[in-house]
Amino acid sequence: DIQMTQSPSTLSASVGDRVTITCRASQSFSSWLAWYQQKPGKAPKLLIYKASTLESGVPSRFSGSGSGGDFTLTISSLQPDDFATYFCHQYNTYPWTFGQGTKVEIK
Amino acid sequence: QVQLQESGPGLVKPSETLSLTCTVSGGSISSYYWTWIRQPPGKGLEYIGYIYYSGSTNYNPSLKSRVTISVDTSKNQFSLKLSSVTAADTAVYYCARVSGTVTFNGMGVWGQGTTVTVSS
Repeated sequence: DIQMTQSPSTLSASVGDRVTITCRASQSFSSWLAWYQQKPGKAPKLLIYKASTLESGVPSRFSGSGSGGDFTLTISSLQPDDFATYFCHQYNTYPWTFGQGTKVEIK
Repeated sequence: QVQLQESGPGLVKPSETLSLTCTVSGGSISSYYWTWIRQPPGKGLEYIGYIYYSGSTNYNPSLKSRVTISVDTSKNQFSLKLSSVTAADTAVYYCARVSGTVTFNGMGVWGQGTTVTVSS
């Protein structure tokens, strides 16, 4: 299985901050990576797919980049609605696997 | 707008079979891949498997011996059966639609999730 390691596990930030979350894969692959946002008690919401393509309706402050083994989710200016947990997801190789999550907290 | 809704027992006894159904509304189950994902309490997400509307499946090898995913296109539903459950199968179970068919584009539509507890 491809192991996906996210860092950091927890991130404390303020409204307006630029936030970067990293996802590192145990094996290199192309761009078949997605990012999701999850709020407590809710289902995940797709933000980014194919490493850098913004899902329809997702604010442009979210962006994704990377290929090979290292991927990044960036929030350019953190908004109150963005405090949540974020997961990366590789769908390059079966079984599909997820990162352990990064919780973005209010500083 | 496509919506998904999971249904099934919230409590299952150890060694029994967990059975859940996902009902698709606002769109057809045809021409898409449909998945089951689970999330144990306070933990991350785990891929269980997917089914194409035609019936072809892919399962996580860690669960493959116990999992069956099926589809009923006439009812616009797909289902999950997980046999011989233990406390480790306690989780929130989500159904989701895979975006894209020629190439996958993540999972863009999710059900709200249903909590299943394995306990006697």
